Amino acid sequence: QVNLLQSGAALVKPGASVKLSCKASGYTFTDYYIHWVKQSHGKSLEWIGYINPNSGYTNYNEKFKSKATLTVDKSTNTAYMELSRLTSEDSATYYCTRTGDYWGQGVMVTVSS
Amino acid sequence: DIQMTQSPSSMSVSLGDTVTITCRASQDVGIYVNWFQQKPGKSPRRMIYRATNLADGVPSRFSGSRSGSDYSLTISSLESEDVADYHCLQYDEYPRTFGGGTKLELK
Repeated sequence: QVNLLQSGAALVKPGASVKLSCKASGYTFTDYYIHWVKQSHGKSLEWIGYINPNSGYTNYNEKFKSKATLTVDKSTNTAYMELSRLTSEDSATYYCTRTGDYWGQGVMVTVSS
Repeated sequence: DIQMTQSPSSMSVSLGDTVTITCRASQDVGIYVNWFQQKPGKSPRRMIYRATNLADGVPSRFSGSRSGSDYSLTISSLESEDVADYHCLQYDEYPRTFGGGTKLELK
């Protein structure tokens, strides 16, 4: 069965970076884009961008272009999102999703000194 | 960016009610609208895809419809397990954009 397993919660200091992982299983990793979604305050969702695991091509929401970097490791069927120069505004839950049909469990990132 | 204006933002409901949630797209997005259900502490679950198609395993009391730029999710005979947040998403254009969400609460 399809599963997306995300890395655990992160507590990071302002100005630092964090790299989140999303390990896919149960399907051919390179057949589906991986999208990343931010959820702040437990309510609204924001689309960050997607990566094509086959080619590595990425497409970002302009709002997150200088914030997020998406990569993949095809050898381990894992997608990554690195968030840089973190501020309190980046404190949120981040999800990876296979084109919206399957979702990771989410990872909470807390930015605090 | 395409705006998805979702209403209402919250709704007080009773078991057995018929509930309708609407998203209005700021420009044509065709059939490319999904609806997601999200329960506290859980990931979103796709309920409807391509505006009117029921996702696998979703009860038939859920339905999606479209009228012009208005997209609706209807839940007939609301059950307790349906009390959750609901989100619409347009995926006709990038960046993909979500509605603001609707929170269903029991009276």
